[in-house]
Amino acid sequence: SQQGEEDPQALSIQEGENATMNCSYKTSINNLQWYRQNSGRGLVHLILIRSNEREKHSGRLRVTLDTSKKSSSLLITASRAADTASYFCATDWETSGSRLTFGEGTQLTVNP
Amino acid sequence: DADVTQTPRNRITKTGKRIMLECSQTKGHDRMYWYRQDPGLGLQLIYYSFDVKDINKGEISDGYSVSRQAQAKFSLSLESAIPNQTALYFCATSDLPGTGGSTGELFFGEGSRLTVL
Repeated sequence: SQQGEEDPQALSIQEGENATMNCSYKTSINNLQWYRQNSGRGLVHLILIRSNEREKHSGRLRVTLDTSKKSSSLLITASRAADTASYFCATDWETSGSRLTFGEGTQLTVNP
Repeated sequence: DADVTQTPRNRITKTGKRIMLECSQTKGHDRMYWYRQDPGLGLQLIYYSFDVKDINKGEISDGYSVSRQAQAKFSLSLESAIPNQTALYFCATSDLPGTGGSTGELFFGEGSRLTVL
């Protein structure tokens, strides 16, 4: 499977703390995307990092990509209770014709 | 109104019944997708379509069929539903990467929860 693997499966932190989620994948990619899913709802795109980029920021989100290790991390700084959700990485891998393959997600709980 | 609309949102049916899940979009995207999500798991691609005349199988197409009736409409059918097809189904759309600044990100509907008894 080309599916990404995420770590940890679940993460529980206090408001104000930083949350870090990791994603590993198996083959070369065009880009890697992170999505958020509130319980039972549709996924929402957060951020995309291309294979030639190493770091990207968007508000309180910071994404890194290490293509040599085939891994990415998503950092959410100064977390809020409203950040409670599942976070998925998705890879656009080279031979797929621009289809995304999703990891199994990290369930983040931010306690007030 | 939502950009990607799925109907029905919830459906309970019996083994052997034919079920159709419908998806319509107002984003003007050529690319549409059907994904399945099982509890605690990621999304698996069932079928995808890059334009009206282009339909492709995804990772788990067995037991499913699709129809792209128009650019805006993409429906998923279960010809004879079975209990292990109980899942949350998502439709998604995307633009061609590079078109009008698009990165090819997916836009999801709110999901159709299907239970097969």
